[in-house]
Amino acid sequence: KAGVTQTPRYLIKTRGQQVTLSCSPISGHRSVSWYQQTPGQGLQFLFEYFSETQRNKGNFPGRFSGRQFSNSRSEMNVSTLELGDSALYLCASSLEQGFYGYTFGSGTRLTVV
Amino acid sequence: SQQGEEDPQALSIQEGENATMNCSYKTSINNLQWYRQNSGRGLVHLILIRSNEREKHSGRLRVTLDTSKKSSSLLITASRAADTASYFCATERGNTPLVFGKGTRLSVIA
Repeated sequence: KAGVTQTPRYLIKTRGQQVTLSCSPISGHRSVSWYQQTPGQGLQFLFEYFSETQRNKGNFPGRFSGRQFSNSRSEMNVSTLELGDSALYLCASSLEQGFYGYTFGSGTRLTVV
Repeated sequence: SQQGEEDPQALSIQEGENATMNCSYKTSINNLQWYRQNSGRGLVHLILIRSNEREKHSGRLRVTLDTSKKSSSLLITASRAADTASYFCATERGNTPLVFGKGTRLSVIA
């Protein structure tokens, strides 16, 4: 079966712009989580959606937002980009918490210049 | 915030040797998971061990969990060059999100 698909794979944006990243989870998975990975901070949780509702939110500024659609696909948006937003953004989907682990996509590498 | 702390931060071994990585965490958990990441790609789920389990095996992987010490270890036996990657432990508790440690970078030299 198809894995978690993230698009685009690479992105270069200018400071002040906004960006939208997309994630298609494994078919049947209703939970989608987003993580930011940087060399300095490691893997930081952004938010989690379950059946179109945000279930958890990490400690990130309001410039970071997300949503989930009825087909479980998710998008995250970052507005007013800063240099420090340069990171690998990873999306993960899960069938059910606590039993199966998470399947991650290959990530979107965002560079802000 | 990081819940898990992996030790060591980096490990270099010869092919065929065993690799052991440790993870310590701070709060009670429902389960602990190990993931592998190759060169800035996505994470691959390796194994999940529940809080009521003490040991779990999967192929060349062996994971132990000691909830009294809030620690876990991942053993990779007979390492191969293809095992070169970063390994992360992650804890799950209730409906809170998965929390990752900073990882161990494993280099297996052929």
